[in-house]
Amino acid sequence: QVQLVQSGAEVKKPGASVKVSCKVSGYSLTELYIHWVRQAPGRGPEWMGGHDPEDGKAIYSQRFQGRVTMTEDTSTDTAFMELTSLKSDDTAVYFCTTTVGQLADIRNWFDPWGQGTPVTVSS
Amino acid sequence: QSVLTQPPSVSGAPGQRVIISCTGSSSNIGAGYDVHWYQQLPGAAPKFVIYANNNRPSGVSDRFSGSKSGTSASLAISGLQAEDEADYYCQAYDSGLSAWVFGGGTKVTVL
Repeated sequence: QVQLVQSGAEVKKPGASVKVSCKVSGYSLTELYIHWVRQAPGRGPEWMGGHDPEDGKAIYSQRFQGRVTMTEDTSTDTAFMELTSLKSDDTAVYFCTTTVGQLADIRNWFDPWGQGTPVTVSS
Repeated sequence: QSVLTQPPSVSGAPGQRVIISCTGSSSNIGAGYDVHWYQQLPGAAPKFVIYANNNRPSGVSDRFSGSKSGTSASLAISGLQAEDEADYYCQAYDSGLSAWVFGGGTKVTVL
C-alpha cells in the first residue's frame, strides 16, 4: 500500500521560493505518477501538475507554468515540488498524491494523498 | 470561482438521504469525462469515495452512490450518520484548461 509523507510547514516572504518534499513508501517512486494539488483556506482543491519520476516528464497547469518545478530523487523515493515568486495568495496546504492511470490520463482520480504541507506567504 | 459548481452546504437528520450536486460545462462533465468524489474530514487530506461516476472503492460504505447526467453529477449519501459530517468535492478533467478541476466543496451537516 502506497504511503506519502510530506515535509513540514513553511513560512515564506513574498517573492521567495518554497520546496516541498513527498517521501513514498510501500512502492518504488518510479512505479508511481506523482501529482501536486493545493488547497487555499476555505477553497476547493486545485491541481498544479504531475510528473513521472521514471523519465522525468512533467505536465503543469497553465496557472503555474513557469513558476513550478516538479522533480524527484529516486535514490530516496522522494518527490519534490518547488514554487517560486511566492505571493500572498499562494498561502495554502500543498498535497502530493498519486493516480492509478498514466500521467496524463483524463480519467484519473487521485489516491492516496500525503498529509499536506501548510505554506504561509506573509511579509 | 471553481470550474465545477457545488452548493456550499447541505444538511439532514440522522438516517435521512442527502444529495450533493456538481454542475459543470461542455468542456468537462458535459464532454463525457468521468466525475470523481472526495470526502475531506477537518484537518485531513481528501479521500476518494466515488470514482468514475458511480463506482465505490473497497472500504467505502454502500450508503454512498454517484450518478452523472449531461453537464451535472450527484453524490448521494443515504442513512446519514454523524461520521458523514465532512466537506465533499467533485473532480473531473477539463479540456479547455487541460487540467483536472475540482468543485468548491459542499459541507454536509448532520442535524
